[in-house]
Amino acid sequence: KAGVTQTPRYLIKTRGQQVTLSCSPISGHRSVSWYQQTPGQGLQFLFEYFSETQRNKGNFPGRFSGRQFSNSRSEMNVSTLELGDSALYLCASRGQENTEAFFGQGTRLTVV
Amino acid sequence: QQQVKQSPQSLIVQKGGISIINCAYENTAFDYFPWYQQFPGKGPALLIAIRPDVSEKKEGRFTISFNKSAKQFSLHIMDSQPGDSATYFCAATGGSNYKLTFGKGTLLTVNP
Repeated sequence: KAGVTQTPRYLIKTRGQQVTLSCSPISGHRSVSWYQQTPGQGLQFLFEYFSETQRNKGNFPGRFSGRQFSNSRSEMNVSTLELGDSALYLCASRGQENTEAFFGQGTRLTVV
Repeated sequence: QQQVKQSPQSLIVQKGGISIINCAYENTAFDYFPWYQQFPGKGPALLIAIRPDVSEKKEGRFTISFNKSAKQFSLHIMDSQPGDSATYFCAATGGSNYKLTFGKGTLLTVNP
């Protein structure tokens, strides 16, 4: 069974630009969550999608948004990038009836 | 507000020794407590998890001890090996909220 796949693995963007990250969950999993990981703040929850609906949202500005498609694949978008958005963005996939969350390898975003 | 406090920040153990990492939580609605292991350049990997209805869970060399009244839980790594050198995160979630709240992480180094 394939794991959680995140693309791209690395991104370099300029301040003010916008970026879209993609996540394909484990086959059969309908819940996808996004987390931001930085050395200073650690792992912080961004949002969770289940069956194309955002079910929960963390304390991030509106520049951070996401969506989920009917095949459970998810994208997150960050608009008007700031230097502080540089981080490892992680996607986690969860099956419907259990609570184990499995993470992808992440997308390393660098804003210059 | 940091809802899950993890200690120590870093830990150095000799091969064959016991590594102990502690976490404390505040939110009594939490009912699922996983531990994740993360190697550089990789996403967090689920190691072991526990629910409050048991006080201990063991999987191989890894054991979680859980103290509901003290709102604390800990990870014990027996017979620590150099390959265990990684960052370990405790986390918690609960109720209908599928958001994982993470501790700040512990960098474990096992010397050969």
